[in-house]
Amino acid sequence: GESVGLHLPTLSVQEGDNSIINCAYSNSASDYFIWYKQESGKGPQFIIDIRSNMDKRQGQRVTVLLNKTVKHLSLQIAATQPGDSAVYFCAENTGTASKLTFGTGTRLQVTL
Amino acid sequence: DAMVIQNPRYQVTQFGKPVTLSCSQTLNHNVMYWYQQKSSQAPKLLFHYYDKDFNNEADTPDNFQSRRPNTSFCFLDIRSPGLGDAAMYLCATSDILGGPEKLFFGSGTQLSVL
Repeated sequence: GESVGLHLPTLSVQEGDNSIINCAYSNSASDYFIWYKQESGKGPQFIIDIRSNMDKRQGQRVTVLLNKTVKHLSLQIAATQPGDSAVYFCAENTGTASKLTFGTGTRLQVTL
Repeated sequence: DAMVIQNPRYQVTQFGKPVTLSCSQTLNHNVMYWYQQKSSQAPKLLFHYYDKDFNNEADTPDNFQSRRPNTSFCFLDIRSPGLGDAAMYLCATSDILGGPEKLFFGSGTQLSVL
């Protein structure tokens, strides 16, 4: 989704369905990308990462897809659970020393 | 368990009164970062230490300073907090060997300015 001002885009998904969260990144020279999950009042929690020499990587219930041609990153969550409800941020490495620049974030709401 | 620990969890300060936030790590990572996160926004990098080398972001106000006395500890000093500095402050670490690696975040310190 696209962000407008300070309002986080929200994705509402039914429990058990698959979720797809999208992210457009800005720097064509970025070589490393990460997805983080952030629950209310907590620090970001690592989910999955991918380097620019790959276009797909799978973890447990999660898959990250990278399309460098259009500078697009997506996170797929299979069989979404209530515990997946959180804000999800993509981040790109834009320099040395793992300097991550975070995207706007998407709020995932899982309905029963 | 190895982790990134931030203290305190909540900090209240007065307008203009200096405040220090603390971060410690047991991961023995060579890089430590401070991010500022305002409500419903993405974390924004303020600065980072690569070992003892301090790296400031170009748009980080002079009001924000940092110290890293040793590998395990890093401090964020806000010299004269303004109302606009109320935010969650996140400390993170990374172990950079040959290229970029994921960051491990602490739970954050929520700063209120009265």
